Amino acid sequence: NAGVTQTPKFQVLKTGQSMTLQCAQDMNHEYMSWYRQDPGMGLRLIHYSVGAGITDQGEVPNGYNVSRSTTEDFPLRLLSAAPSQTSVYFCASSPTTGASYGYTFGSGTRLTVV
Amino acid sequence: ILNVEQSPQSLHVQEGDSTNFTCSFPSSNFYALHWYRWETAKSPEALFVMTLNGDEKKKGRISATLNTKEGYSYLYIKGSQPEDSATYLCARNTGNQFYFGTGTSLTVIP
Repeated sequence: NAGVTQTPKFQVLKTGQSMTLQCAQDMNHEYMSWYRQDPGMGLRLIHYSVGAGITDQGEVPNGYNVSRSTTEDFPLRLLSAAPSQTSVYFCASSPTTGASYGYTFGSGTRLTVV
Repeated sequence: ILNVEQSPQSLHVQEGDSTNFTCSFPSSNFYALHWYRWETAKSPEALFVMTLNGDEKKKGRISATLNTKEGYSYLYIKGSQPEDSATYLCARNTGNQFYFGTGTSLTVIP
């Protein structure tokens, strides 16, 4: 099993550019989520999904869009990148909403917006 | 407390020492408490998921306890080894959302 696969691993964007961070899991997990990791702060939830066709906002959703057309994929879109979005992004999945199961994390995407 | 708080922020111990860290969280609207181990340049890996007050979990030399009434969890490492060096994260689950602490960074000195 590949687990949770994130692409790309590194990306540099110019302010105003758009891009999509890809996340795919092959474990048939219902719950998927996106986090950002910034120095001195814990992992902060951006968006999450409890199943195909269902998404919701987390703590820091502004500037990001998501969709969940299949169980396997949960892409994160930056519509107009800003320097404040420079961060390390992690995708994570769980069989259900996580009260009984831990997350499986992807390897992360390091994004720099200049 | 509104957020998940972990202490200490960082810790250096000698190989063979036992150590423990604290995770504090709001006791209301509690579903589960997770502990993760995060090695440098890797992704966080789940250690424990605890749901019931008084839960105790153990994996090798690492164990954890949970007190949901007072809102804290302890992670213990017995006989620390250099390979235990990592950041240990806790996360509070409120149903659909997780709230992570900033972690305790452990360095075990050979």
